[in-house]
Amino acid sequence: DGGITQSPKYLFRKEGQNVTLSCEQNLNHDAMYWYRQDPGQGLRLIYYSQIVNDFQKGDIAEGYSVSREKKESFPLTVTSAQKNPTAFYLCASSRTTAGVYEQYFGPGTRLTVT
Amino acid sequence: GIQVEQSPPDLILQEGANSTLRCNFSDSVNNLQWFHQNPWGQLINLFYIPSGTKQNGRLSATTVATERYSLLYISSSQTTDSGVYFCAVVNAGGTSYGKLTFGQGTILTVHP
Repeated sequence: DGGITQSPKYLFRKEGQNVTLSCEQNLNHDAMYWYRQDPGQGLRLIYYSQIVNDFQKGDIAEGYSVSREKKESFPLTVTSAQKNPTAFYLCASSRTTAGVYEQYFGPGTRLTVT
Repeated sequence: GIQVEQSPPDLILQEGANSTLRCNFSDSVNNLQWFHQNPWGQLINLFYIPSGTKQNGRLSATTVATERYSLLYISSSQTTDSGVYFCAVVNAGGTSYGKLTFGQGTILTVHP
């Protein structure tokens, strides 16, 4: 079954701890993205990657880090420097050929930091 | 950056009614997607429609790129249509590759 998986579904952490969210896709997509959603809001871009070993900051990258060592995987680390980390995090992927950029989303991870 | 405005913000319908959701955007786009976010937070792809008209069952969408708006039509609504509908675009002149800019969403509630 092709798709995007994110784990865990729910994550609870104490303030001051770093936490890593997993995102895996088997759609053979080159591009991957991380978005954040706050209650009652649309999504905002944190980081994106067009190819392996390359990634770029989005609109709200401060306090986050990513890596892209494999095409299928794009983990997001929420560091202790992120001031308001409690949110819903969604990962997405898309092709990059022929100018078609339809994005597909994973089920998301709800992070609560207390 | 590009601005995306959705209307109405809230919509309440009786089952069987029809509705139209609107998305206005402030600049040219090379990607426009409509999503339905279900109660568990999953974003379901409805349409990829940077221009033209598409139909999928009871749903259809039209994007008039030259006038910078898109419409999502829901006919014969069902309770399972409830949720939040998002419009998202990629600015054709943007610097962040493939970055989707989302509107604030339309919250649809369908009563039986």
